[in-house]
Amino acid sequence: EAGVAQSPRYKIIEKRQSVAFWCNPISGHATLYWYQQILGQGPKLLIQFQNNGVVDDSQLPKDRFSAERLKGVDSTLKIQPAKLEDSAVYLCASSLGPTGFEQFFGPGTRLTVL
Amino acid sequence: AQSVSQHNHHVILSEAASLELGCNYSYGGTVNLFWYVQYPGQHLQLLLKYFSGDPLVKGIKGFEAEFIKSKFSFNLRKPSVQWSDTAEYFCAVPSGGYNKLIFGAGTRLAVHP
Repeated sequence: EAGVAQSPRYKIIEKRQSVAFWCNPISGHATLYWYQQILGQGPKLLIQFQNNGVVDDSQLPKDRFSAERLKGVDSTLKIQPAKLEDSAVYLCASSLGPTGFEQFFGPGTRLTVL
Repeated sequence: AQSVSQHNHHVILSEAASLELGCNYSYGGTVNLFWYVQYPGQHLQLLLKYFSGDPLVKGIKGFEAEFIKSKFSFNLRKPSVQWSDTAEYFCAVPSGGYNKLIFGAGTRLAVHP
């Protein structure tokens, strides 16, 4: 079974630039998550999709971050414009459903904002 | 809101030593509890989980965790660590209607041969 795919693996940008990350979840997984992991901290949920609908985006900085899940499969997370404090690893995860199921994580995208 | 505390941020052990990593969560009642592990250069992966039933849960690679409801704790244990257990360990608890995971800050374990 293929795992969660993410690209790019690394990205370096300057502040005020924009950046986009892509995630392809495990086939058949209805729930998709984007987490932000700042160095020295645990992952923090940014947004959770159930199929192609958003069910939790309470910690997403909506003035600069946006995300969509096309046709309930792939997802993109965008930052525009980026700030220095956005430097982090962005993790995508998926699960069969929102409750009682294991979340499977991708390798993450390491973003450095200069 | 639910929160998770991991008391040890860095742990250094010699091979064959015993391991216990602390995890406390803030809300009582019915809880599901998880330990995830991230080996160097690898993805986060599930180590073990507690949903209900026997409070002593066994996971992969000889790890176990005990859910103690009265102490709001879910400590991770292994009787004899190996060099290959060097990794970062995260405790996590679902929160909210759609059970988003709240992670602790993680414990970085280094095992010396």
